[in-house]
Amino acid sequence: DAKTTQPTSMDCAEGRAANLPCNHSTISGNEYVYWYRQIHSQGPQYIIHGLKNNETNEMASLIITEDRKSSTLILPHATLRDTAVYYCIVRGYNAGNMLTFGGGTRLMVKP
Amino acid sequence: DVKVTQSSRYLVKRTGEKVFLECVQDMDHENMFWYRQDPGLGLRLIYFSYDVKMKEKGDIPEGYSVSREKKERFSLILESASTNQTSMYLCASSQVGVTEAFFGQGTRLTVV
Repeated sequence: DAKTTQPTSMDCAEGRAANLPCNHSTISGNEYVYWYRQIHSQGPQYIIHGLKNNETNEMASLIITEDRKSSTLILPHATLRDTAVYYCIVRGYNAGNMLTFGGGTRLMVKP
Repeated sequence: DVKVTQSSRYLVKRTGEKVFLECVQDMDHENMFWYRQDPGLGLRLIYFSYDVKMKEKGDIPEGYSVSREKKERFSLILESASTNQTSMYLCASSQVGVTEAFFGQGTRLTVV
C-alpha cells in the first residue's frame, strides 16, 4: 500500500472550516483514499473514502486532486468535538490488502 | 448497530504469563486486524486475517501470534508477556473490498 504524508498538527477555530491535507504521491490506480479519525481514548472511526471524484457525506468532504497525488479532508464547520487525530490512508480493494496507519494529523479545534 | 467487541477494557498481567486478547465481530466480515498503539508511535499493525485460519504478519508481529478458528473471532496471543508489550491493543474488522473498517474500544494491557 502507498504511504501518506500529513502535517503533525493543526489548529482550527470553532465554527470555521478545517482543511486537512494529505500527500500520497505513490498511489496506484486501484488504491482508494480513506480518512479515519481517533478521538482520545476511543478506537478509530471511519469518516469518508474516495477514488478520484470528490466525495461528501454528513461528516466531511473529500477533495482529491486530478493526478490523485494528494487530497484534502474538509470539516465544513468544526466543533470542539472534532478535536482528534485524523489519519489519511491509501488502500487497495483486493482481499489481501492490509489497513496500515501513518502518524496522522492532530487537529485541535479552539473556541 | 455494528459491533466489534474486545473482551477486556483493562488487563494487568505478569511478565512471562501467556495472554489472550479476544475480539468478536457480529458483521460477518472477512477481514480482521490487530493493532497496538503507543504514544508517539501511532497505530501499528500486528497481524491481519482475511479468512478463517488465514493470517498475514503486519509491521510488528514479533512476540505475538494469532488464531482465527471462526469467522467472527480473532484472538491475539502473547506467548510470554514482557513489559515492552504494555500498550493499548485495538481490534478491527472489515468486509473485503472498498469498505470501512470498524474498531473495538481497545484493551489497555499492562505487563508488570
